[in-house]
Amino acid sequence: GENVEQHPSTLSVQEGDSAVIKCTYSDSASNYFPWYKQELGKRPQLIIDIRSNVGEKKDQRIAVTLNKTAKHFSLHITETQPEDSAVYFCAVGTSYDKVIFGPGTSLSVIP
Amino acid sequence: NAGVTQTPKFRILKIGQSMTLQCTQDMNHNYMYWYRQDPGMGLKLIYYSVGAGITDKGEVPNGYNVSRSTTEDFPLRLELAAPSQTSVYFCASSETGGRQETQYFGPGTRLLVL
Repeated sequence: GENVEQHPSTLSVQEGDSAVIKCTYSDSASNYFPWYKQELGKRPQLIIDIRSNVGEKKDQRIAVTLNKTAKHFSLHITETQPEDSAVYFCAVGTSYDKVIFGPGTSLSVIP
Repeated sequence: NAGVTQTPKFRILKIGQSMTLQCTQDMNHNYMYWYRQDPGMGLKLIYYSVGAGITDKGEVPNGYNVSRSTTEDFPLRLELAAPSQTSVYFCASSETGGRQETQYFGPGTRLLVL
């Protein structure tokens, strides 16, 4: 089955700096790559997604890049703010209608 | 639009007891999912459903059962609760399938098995 790895597991950055989180997957047939943000005690919520026919997508301070050949995709957050502190999960939509999540990255933005 | 709702919010079970976690969505979504999230960990797929009457196993189905008799409801049944089932359980739904669409999560049910 699909295997999703995510790095780093924890990340601390100074406010205003950039943060990058990378995920790798194993199933070359996977074609949907969302990122979810989960604040402490809350439910996961989608922040951005990308489909396999697109290499990059941007939404204000957040961007996602996809390399299908290498089977990895990354989340980029620029000009980080304290409210960006949360756990971020990558996920992969498989050919069997399942969505498999990565283990998560705990991001701390230090004011 | 309430979105995805879950009951109860919190429950304590004794080892060997059974319970049903309720999940309801009012968005007319075909696809529904159950995940568990252990402390400090990611989301593991338990079961999912692509429509009423159709269910399939996820990554960690042992110890659980599901049914999908209507589009709106997707209950998760725990039989013979064990301490290893202590976790937060999230239900989610999507319109056309996890491959292509946003999943909307419920608020979660926190379960403690003692």
